[in-house]
This record gives sequence, structure tokens and C-alpha cells, in this order.
Amino acid sequence: QKEVEQDPGPLSVPEGAIVSLNCTYSNSAFQYFMWYRQYSRKGPELLMYTYSSGNKEDGRFTAQVDKSSKYISLFIRDSQPSDSATYLCAMSASPSGGSYIPTFGRGTSLIVHP
Amino acid sequence: KAGVTQTPRYLIKTRGQQVTLSCSPISGHRSVSWYQQTPGQGLQFLFEYFSETQRNKGNFPGRFSGRQFSNSRSEMNVSTLELGDSALYLCASSLSDRNEQFFGPGTRLTVL
Repeated sequence: QKEVEQDPGPLSVPEGAIVSLNCTYSNSAFQYFMWYRQYSRKGPELLMYTYSSGNKEDGRFTAQVDKSSKYISLFIRDSQPSDSATYLCAMSASPSGGSYIPTFGRGTSLIVHP
Repeated sequence: KAGVTQTPRYLIKTRGQQVTLSCSPISGHRSVSWYQQTPGQGLQFLFEYFSETQRNKGNFPGRFSGRQFSNSRSEMNVSTLELGDSALYLCASSLSDRNEQFFGPGTRLTVL
């Protein structure tokens, strides 16, 4: 079992839909949770960063962390075709030797069609 | 502020050759990490450099190596290339005490 599990999709939704992207993890030491967006032929771009359980909202994006269930989610409201990309979750434990090395999920491919 | 830059963007090599990839981090960022991304394995951590020292290393063979210079720029080298080394190699930089990593556009390496 991989430390971080993420459904690769693809997930296809109509424009305007609410999108839910999810990851589960097995390492209870993870405390920092991130979501990255990666467009084709580009590097990942940090979207959301959260620490510990709870919700964090940024515009149309909401990140949710449930540490008791070892489950994190990213919600996208009013999805747009420009949101079509691969979304990667990432998480890390407390720094070891000063560094936070994240473990990434495999990514979920999202397609928002007009 | 300029983002992370990587050169070259595309590279084609043959088996047995070696390759050197370069990464310039965001100004002020002293930590540089390298990742290999493939469709089958996703993003896998190669190594991290901080202040010219390798601070962490992933589970890759010794053919993969790197270094960091005093200006925080970093290079990674892959010797004796294998077909399975074909991948997108990503560099990410971060502030020394922060968790958020900022990625470059990557170098697409194809090994024939």
C-alpha cells in the first residue's frame, strides 16, 4: 500500500460543477497538507497549503483535512475549463533535519468541459 | 520575482550516456529538491540540497547525483542512462524553514 493514495481519474465534469478531489494516507505523522495543480507540460503549481485538520478557503478552492480519517479533499466551486489539469496532493511530517520532504499522490486528471 | 528556472527544457540521449540538468531557484531560496515524474510512478523524490550540502536523499541508485553551488543553483547528473530514466525531472525550491515548494517547468529527458 502506498503512503498516499489518489484516484488518477480522469474526472470529467461540466462547466460550473462542484468538483471534489480526494486523497487518503496511511502515515499518521503527516501534519502538512498541500494541493498542487499541474497543467500539461508544466511544473506543479502550489494551490493550497494547510496545517492540521479543518478547512481552508481561497476563492473557488476549499481544502479540507480530516486527520482522524486520514483523508484530505480539495473542492473546486464553479469549475471552469481553465481548471482542467492534473491535481496532486502532497503531505509531509514535521521537519527532519530541517527539511520537509513531501510525499505526493499520483495525481487526478480533471477535465472541465464547456 | 522570477520563478524557478530549469535548463534545458528538453533533452534526448541514448543509453549509456550521461546527462546534467540545471536548476536556478527563486532568489532567496536556499533549499533545492529534485524529483522524477513518470506516468507510472508519479512524483518521486530524488534528493534535496541546502547550503551546498545534500540534506536528504530518496531511494534512487547512485547513478543519480547532484550538487548545489554557493549561489543556491543546483545541478543533477545521471550517468549510464537507461531507458527507464526517461521522465520529467522537476526541480523545486523553498525557503529554508518553510514547507511550500515552488516547482520549475521541468526538463523532459528521453533516453533512446
